Amino acid sequence: GAGVSQSPSNKVTEKGKDVELRCDPISGHTALYWYRQSLGQGLEFLIYFQGNSAPDKSGLPSDRFSAERTGGSVSTLTIQRTQQEDSAVYLCASSLRSSLYEQYFGPGTRLTVT
Amino acid sequence: AQKITQTQPGMFVQEKEAVTLDCTYDTSDPSYGLFWYKQPSSGEMIFLIYQGSYDQQNATEGRYSLNFQKARKSANLVISASQLGDSAMYFCAMIGPGTASKLTFGTGTRLQVTL
Repeated sequence: GAGVSQSPSNKVTEKGKDVELRCDPISGHTALYWYRQSLGQGLEFLIYFQGNSAPDKSGLPSDRFSAERTGGSVSTLTIQRTQQEDSAVYLCASSLRSSLYEQYFGPGTRLTVT
Repeated sequence: AQKITQTQPGMFVQEKEAVTLDCTYDTSDPSYGLFWYKQPSSGEMIFLIYQGSYDQQNATEGRYSLNFQKARKSANLVISASQLGDSAMYFCAMIGPGTASKLTFGTGTRLQVTL
């Protein structure tokens, strides 16, 4: 079956513009996660969705970042008024359920803010 | 708070040899899961192996095994019979009920397999 897909694969944007990153999780996976990986660094948690529960937004670095998940499936991460420090690879993952289940990652979106 | 420490920024191993990648962790939760992921140069994160905190046996998946020493809070990854395709970044991660299910990652170890 299909894995986690993300689009676009690469995005170059000017400082101050808004961007939207999309994630399509594995069918049937109720949990969805967004992570950020800056150059040469490990992954940093951003936000987590589980079913119809309120998302865990504790990892979002500022109020310029937001995410939504429509119909319990596709998710969109939005970054408003992008800054150069937002440049990173944004990875989406999904898992069958939350907690102690392995997360399957998408290929990521490489965001470059110029 | 949970923390993962990977002290080896880079490792070299000769093809067909075994290699151990170190990982120590810190958590106050009695229930947690430990993961290893591989990230090749193409960028995708590939799940390798999982160890639950209550599992009695060390996890194994093909050439990958996890050396779980609970009292020492270590979860080292052992790759046997290394192959050139094993060259990649390797991340240790953990998850626990006290962290709303988000993975906490270490900083990674870059493994280079040589001829």
